[in-house]
Amino acid sequence: ETGVTQTPRHLVMGMTNKKSLKCEQHLGHNAMYWYKQSAKKPLELMFVYSLEERVENNSVPSRFSPECPNSSHLFLHLHTLQPEDSALYLCASSQDLGSNEQFFGPGTRLTVL
Amino acid sequence: LAKTTQPISMDSYEGQEVNITCSHNNIATNDYITWYQQFPSQGPRFIIQGYKTKVTNEVASLFIPADRKSSTLSLPRVSLSDTAVYYCLVGPLTGTASKLTFGTGTRLQVTL
Repeated sequence: ETGVTQTPRHLVMGMTNKKSLKCEQHLGHNAMYWYKQSAKKPLELMFVYSLEERVENNSVPSRFSPECPNSSHLFLHLHTLQPEDSALYLCASSQDLGSNEQFFGPGTRLTVL
Repeated sequence: LAKTTQPISMDSYEGQEVNITCSHNNIATNDYITWYQQFPSQGPRFIIQGYKTKVTNEVASLFIPADRKSSTLSLPRVSLSDTAVYYCLVGPLTGTASKLTFGTGTRLQVTL
């Protein structure tokens, strides 16, 4: 238990669906992150939030839309995804922005049909 | 960005000591070295972090030579449950998140 929870743990969706991934951290951290991990590839940093403000967007397609309503919650809204978007989506948090000690959630295994 | 190089995979028997070396020739003065462990279908877990010489905690030891161009993660007496992917990261303690990049890691397989 890392103090970071993610729901759902598994998600199967069609290319025309709209779904959202949720992340919650119970650690009082100031920064939150979304990562994508595809099979046999390194983790790719997608979005970074610091104190609810988006500070980094690493050239992620607009079909991924993040939302950070408060410092404890982070969402990733998904719409019109492609099969190549199937991956493990990981949320992480850290005390300070860009800290190399990050706490990861268990991830959401997403399959796009 | 300080690039890291690790072996793709390693095999070990249960009870042995495992040493995983990471090369980071372009490490900057303010960079720290951090290691993570990742089990299948889980998020990475912070193991240990250091700047120079030796750091030890209840899980592992981290050896960093004086030139800091490499580091070695040492896992004493591994068990089957240590089978995982181990990532070496190099970057400042805080700052721009994109400077902290995970490579492909080292896949450690522990067998009886």
